[in-house]
Amino acid sequence: DTAVSQTPKYLVTQMGNDKSIKCEQNLGHDTMYWYKQDSKKFLKIMFSYNNKELIINETVPNRFSPKSPDKAHLNLHINSLELGDSAVYFCASSQEGSEQFFGPGTRLTVL
Amino acid sequence: DAKTTQPPSMDCAEGRAANLPCNHSTISGNEYVYWYRQIHSQGPQYIIHGLKNNETNEMASLIITEDRKSSTLILPHATLRDTAVYYCIVRPAGTGGFKTIFGAGTRLFVKA
Repeated sequence: DTAVSQTPKYLVTQMGNDKSIKCEQNLGHDTMYWYKQDSKKFLKIMFSYNNKELIINETVPNRFSPKSPDKAHLNLHINSLELGDSAVYFCASSQEGSEQFFGPGTRLTVL
Repeated sequence: DAKTTQPPSMDCAEGRAANLPCNHSTISGNEYVYWYRQIHSQGPQYIIHGLKNNETNEMASLIITEDRKSSTLILPHATLRDTAVYYCIVRPAGTGGFKTIFGAGTRLFVKA
């Protein structure tokens, strides 16, 4: 069973479009995260979310928004996609204070 | 910015121990040392973490110096599948998940 899953694995879209990436964890964790890994391979945290608090990295444009329908899901919505949004996006989860478990990543390409 | 310094790359012969160093001279008393690795095109994978004492699990050992300003991750018998980027991270205990800051890491090449 996959602990942290993401869909889709690959996403190719045009500039200006709106898209979503879904993430689900079956570990019963209370906190989920989104990371962005750019072409230079640096992994940067975007959001941290549990049922109490959303923490946003101040460098993330407000075109990006996390949506959590329930404790096991944290989806990433991106509006008005730009070329610079092309990257691999990783979802992760943890029981707060413990190690994070990462999903397989979603490679987003904006044309 | 990452609070750790790691060599950009290292080589290791298959079957030998891989010793990956990490400097964290500004570590605070309540901060843990975490190690993750990222095998090509996959999500990062947790390896081990520690506060003061040395730690060992099925994957690796973590040696932390007494002053806690540096640590070493040891893969006792490296295999080709251990080729990956290894990240050393310091972060607070408790609500520190958001402060899991990944630096550039060490790219470990395990050679046959």
